[in-house]
Amino acid sequence: DTGVSQDPRHKITKRGQNVTFRCDPISEHNRLYWYRQTLGQGPEFLTYFQNEAQLEKSRLLSDRFSAERPKGSFSTLEIQRTEQGDSAMYLCASSLGQTLWSYTFGSGTRLTVV
Amino acid sequence: QKEVEQDPGPLSVPEGAIVSLNCTYSNSAFQYFMWYRQYSRKGPELLMYTYSSGNKEDGRFTAQVDKSSKYISLFIRDSQPSDSATYLCAMHGGTASKLTFGTGTRLQVTL
Repeated sequence: DTGVSQDPRHKITKRGQNVTFRCDPISEHNRLYWYRQTLGQGPEFLTYFQNEAQLEKSRLLSDRFSAERPKGSFSTLEIQRTEQGDSAMYLCASSLGQTLWSYTFGSGTRLTVV
Repeated sequence: QKEVEQDPGPLSVPEGAIVSLNCTYSNSAFQYFMWYRQYSRKGPELLMYTYSSGNKEDGRFTAQVDKSSKYISLFIRDSQPSDSATYLCAMHGGTASKLTFGTGTRLQVTL
């Protein structure tokens, strides 16, 4: 286990389609985070899990977004009825409870909605 | 007003220069202060972290935190072309659930 893995790396989809991204965190990390980053901006928090429990969701996470972390391992982020404004880099990160401020990020999934 | 403010740059310096990157913040609850480096089309990677006020040095990098002024800095000595990247400051409140990032400063080190 060498880091946080995200799949796919790139996704191009038509407006209105649903997309799902996957994140595999570092195995011993109990916290998992999803962030969104648009061009020229820093990452913005979307949601986070402690083990399998989703503990916080940002106001940025509209009803079209849903995230899961079954069994506290990998996580999925689904966007329904995609819009052009959803085009961004979606970053996953994980951290260990004792150093919860020290995140390890994946390389992200770049979503383009056309 | 954003919780964390960071000049987006771009900042262009010649190889060997000393680089100073800065962030200001408004939330007094922040206790942990991080600097991440992000190469193009990659995820951020943690460079350095500091807890509360003070300095921390790691090789060519020095991080400074002044909580009284709500101001943090990252200094890069003897900058190299491989340092060309976007540098993101990030802050955490300890018990808070998430990191809050600045917008990032794009740095270009030229030969």
